[in-house]
Amino acid sequence: SQELEQSPQSLIVQEGKNLTINCTSSKTLYGLYWYKQKYGEGLIFLMMLQKGGEEKSHEKITAKLDEKKQQSSLHITASQPSHAGIYLCGADETSGSRLTFGEGTQLTVNP
Amino acid sequence: DTAVSQTPKYLVTQMGNDKSIKCEQNLGHDTMYWYKQDSKKFLKIMFSYNNKELIINETVPNRFSPKSPDKAHLNLHINSLELGDSAVYFCASSPISPGEQFFGPGTRLTVL
Repeated sequence: SQELEQSPQSLIVQEGKNLTINCTSSKTLYGLYWYKQKYGEGLIFLMMLQKGGEEKSHEKITAKLDEKKQQSSLHITASQPSHAGIYLCGADETSGSRLTFGEGTQLTVNP
Repeated sequence: DTAVSQTPKYLVTQMGNDKSIKCEQNLGHDTMYWYKQDSKKFLKIMFSYNNKELIINETVPNRFSPKSPDKAHLNLHINSLELGDSAVYFCASSPISPGEQFFGPGTRLTVL
């Protein structure tokens, strides 16, 4: 089965700083999903990437998919305390019936 | 209006008991899922149903039995609860499989 590795596992930044979270797959990526989870809550969908080289943005969050490297990166510009939470990447397996998730990156943004 | 709802939000019980978690989605989605998130925040799929039919059944003990009375509901029944079952259980739904998934708020299960 597909394995996803996220880095870093945790990240503490000062408000206003930029940051990047990476998600690397052990297999070819057919679809890559980014979710955010706040403590005690469910996951919130952020973005879905399907094509190599695809890049999507939502407010100050940008995600890119590099199919050749089997990797996706999530970049946050000018981070705010509201960005704090756990970011998880999920990959679409070849069977198309499930998502496999990475272990998550815990982001803390200090004011 | 809550898109994917789960009850209860918290569940504390003794080892050996049987318990159920309910999930309902009002999004009209065909596919529903149960995930388990352990203490390290690792999220792993347990089951997936499409239009009331089981399509994914991961290596989960037989003590876990999902039931889908209709495509808007997917309940999870757990028999003979063990300490290792303590986790947060998330229900999710999607219009297509796997697609963008909408998650419920989670049920935090604590087995004493």
